[in-house]
Amino acid sequence: KQEVTQIPAALSVPEGENLVLNCSFTDSAIYNLQWFRQDPGKGLTSLLLIQSSQREQTSGRLNASLDKSSGRSTLYIAASQPGDSATYLCAVRPTTETSGSRLTFGEGTQLTVNP
Amino acid sequence: NAGVTQTPKFRILKIGQSMTLQCTQDMNHNYMYWYRQDPGMGLKLIYYSVGAGITDKGEVPNGYNVSRSTTEDFPLRLELAAPSQTSVYFCASSYSGRGQFFGPGTRLTVL
Repeated sequence: KQEVTQIPAALSVPEGENLVLNCSFTDSAIYNLQWFRQDPGKGLTSLLLIQSSQREQTSGRLNASLDKSSGRSTLYIAASQPGDSATYLCAVRPTTETSGSRLTFGEGTQLTVNP
Repeated sequence: NAGVTQTPKFRILKIGQSMTLQCTQDMNHNYMYWYRQDPGMGLKLIYYSVGAGITDKGEVPNGYNVSRSTTEDFPLRLELAAPSQTSVYFCASSYSGRGQFFGPGTRLTVL
């Protein structure tokens, strides 16, 4: 059974710092991996989707990398801002999932960027 | 595009009551999902659908039912509400399993 772990559970940094959020998964047979952002009391916003054949994806100040063989993904946030404060979730879609493309989610990292 | 919309935003139920959480998407996505999120936890899949007329159980289906009569709508029904069903419920959709798009959620409390 696929398990997704995100460490740390919470992270507090000063504004302007570059930071890395980690996601690990137990089964490397994945189709893709998706990073989401969740603001308090809100739904999930998709940030980046990495296909299994890709090593990284970039969007603005965000860069997500994927190393399937080691079961790891990282989300790099450059020059962090207070507006980046949110919970970041990663989710994997296994290749064995042929129906429904169900995702397995980590529990998230709660990021606070202090002004 | 409104994306994925959910109603209601908040609801308080008494034990044993029933209700339907509504979910609609206007992106012509074929796949739709219902998740629940408990405090400090990740999302758990309740039910999903790969197209109109097709539904299947996820990880935590007990106490819930779904139907998918149209591509756009995927309602979630709670028949006999229990305190363990207090949670935030998210609906999501995708096109053939590509990235999922989420609704804003329904916060449900069962007392």
